[in-house]
Amino acid sequence: GAVVSQHPSRVICKSGTSVKIECRSLDFQATTMFWYRQFPKQSLMLMATSNEGSKATYEQGVEKDKFLINHASLTLSTLTVTSAHPEDSSFYICSARADRAYEQYFGPGTRLTVT
Amino acid sequence: AQSVTQLDSQVPVFEEAPVELRCNYSSSVSVYLFWYVQYPNQGLQLLLKYLSGSTLVESINGFEAEFNKSQTSFHLRKPSVHISDTAEYFCAVTFSWGAQKLVFGQGTRLTINP
Repeated sequence: GAVVSQHPSRVICKSGTSVKIECRSLDFQATTMFWYRQFPKQSLMLMATSNEGSKATYEQGVEKDKFLINHASLTLSTLTVTSAHPEDSSFYICSARADRAYEQYFGPGTRLTVT
Repeated sequence: AQSVTQLDSQVPVFEEAPVELRCNYSSSVSVYLFWYVQYPNQGLQLLLKYLSGSTLVESINGFEAEFNKSQTSFHLRKPSVHISDTAEYFCAVTFSWGAQKLVFGQGTRLTINP
């Protein structure tokens, strides 16, 4: 149980284009989903927290207009990187948490490369 | 402010040797504690958690961790490691109030040598 999927696993896009990453909780309802960014050999950096049906809460320093987050259902959240630039290249990981739970379950991650 | 410190960035050990990965946290409120493992180019997998009850928690693959409130620690141990345990290990805490975000340590790279 507690499986979270992400799609795509890898994506390469040209500078200036937008990319959408999907995060799904497959066997539980996720009232809260989180989006992280991870640089090589570093820990995870929380970008934003989203609750189903509400606007996402972004961490300080994260541009909300660049990283659009939608959490339209209890099993799906999307992260759209708009007008991507090479510095946005990174490993993006989502996690999901069920209502009244404390542990988060993580997706396998998406490797984004912007050329 | 709450924080998590993993004292060792890298831990090399020989196969079948015991290992301890250290984790200390700083918090003025009650915490819930987790260990996650990350294999190369993958997401994080929950290894074990402490929410309440017995301070010694175990995973299905032989790891255990003990919550020590007085020392604000949650060290991860395994009596005999395998090559397959090579991975990055993250200690994390969350709190019973607010957005319940996870605060991660810097990670410890465990390398098992034959």
